[in-house]
Amino acid sequence: AAGVIQSPRHLIKEKRETATLKCYPIPRHDTVYWYQQGPGQDPQFLISFYEKMQSDKGSIPDRFSAQQFSDYHSELNMSSLELGDSALYFCASSSPSLAGETQYFGPGTRLLVL
Amino acid sequence: SQQGEEDPQALSIQEGENATMNCSYKTSINNLQWYRQNSGRGLVHLILIRSNEREKHSGRLRVTLDTSKKSSSLLITASRAADTASYFCATDEKSSGDKLTFGTGTRLAVRP
Repeated sequence: AAGVIQSPRHLIKEKRETATLKCYPIPRHDTVYWYQQGPGQDPQFLISFYEKMQSDKGSIPDRFSAQQFSDYHSELNMSSLELGDSALYFCASSSPSLAGETQYFGPGTRLLVL
Repeated sequence: SQQGEEDPQALSIQEGENATMNCSYKTSINNLQWYRQNSGRGLVHLILIRSNEREKHSGRLRVTLDTSKKSSSLLITASRAADTASYFCATDEKSSGDKLTFGTGTRLAVRP
């Protein structure tokens, strides 16, 4: 069965650079969530989209922005990167009509800021 | 503050033994989900239990939910070395849309 796809899987950036993370949800899933997991930490919710509109916002820095496109894929744009942004970034998708409340997570993008 | 606190933080058992992990939360929830994460890798959904359910089974997994105590437990029976991973509970709070709030996780090590 198709799963959530994230790209790239690994990314190395310098401080103050920008990064774009991509997420392709499970087919027919209309809701996308972004989470950040720091080293040894639990995942923290960043932002979510339903039907291409932002549906909820968590602890997402102002330097980050995200959007969901017409094909339901989502991108997380990160600017002025800081060392503390080094983390595993997960995307999850769900569809209330198909999967209920279950959120299915992608493999994550590991971002390292040097 | 953490919505979910899990205990123990780390658990080491022998293959074949049962492993029990607990999770406590603070607010009213719609449902509670358990996820597994191998070291530094993706989160794999294990089981979802709704607020009106008390117990759920899936294979070797048994989850209980006590909304009066705001707690849940995950039992893995007849553990295997391949069960070695971190296990997180995540709650979907009634007041916060459908985003998940994760607990701190339990690191389970199953010795062969």
